Amino acid sequence: QSVLTQPPSVSEAPRQRVTISCSGSSSNIGNNAVNWYQQVPGKAPKLLIYYDDLRPSGVSDRFSGSKSGTSASLAISGLQSEDEADYYCAAWDDSLNGPVFGPGTKVTVL
Amino acid sequence: QVTLRESGPALVKPTQTLTLTCTFSGFSLSTSGMSVSWIRQPPGKALEWLALIHWDDDKYYSTSLKTRLTISKDTSKNQVVLTMTSMDPVDTATYYCARLTAVAGTNGYFDSWGQGMLVTVSS
Repeated sequence: QSVLTQPPSVSEAPRQRVTISCSGSSSNIGNNAVNWYQQVPGKAPKLLIYYDDLRPSGVSDRFSGSKSGTSASLAISGLQSEDEADYYCAAWDDSLNGPVFGPGTKVTVL
Repeated sequence: QVTLRESGPALVKPTQTLTLTCTFSGFSLSTSGMSVSWIRQPPGKALEWLALIHWDDDKYYSTSLKTRLTISKDTSKNQVVLTMTSMDPVDTATYYCARLTAVAGTNGYFDSWGQGMLVTVSS
């Protein structure tokens, strides 16, 4: 059972917007940066957002991250079929002395 | 261009020790701020962090698995090795190595991943 909480799944129609929440505690999200990873089925995870709200080069600006207190969110706007994937939040946990991943959220484009 | 590749046995028997090697290119583990980690994913399940080694040889382990794990590096060969003892069928998973990049004073992020390799534990 992960120390980070994410909804198991979200779904929305093409061109719409979805938001994925990630809830933690003061030992992880509340005191450390949040990173988001996208995993297309059968592939390795890919860095999507780092340090709460920064996008690596090459990542579409349709993806955005935010954080407030012990929670973080990933928003995907202009949803496309290629966005169907599992999305994981992650943060360093000071109590566990290592990074922790959320359970993942499956995004389905209707 | 940063690349990482995992190698090791695809099948191990219960109670055996698993040894995985991550061979990387495009960066040096002797550079400040660079680290390499192992992460696994059981079929259909979430990612689970296992171990991390920093450029200065500082090491961190998952609290739930630390008695079974050892991580080491060979900077001259650009390799990081993970050993996991007492393998069990529940350890069946895809094992990934990933580079962790960190700005001074932060814990960093996994910005490059290997393709992963499936390790099955079965007699």
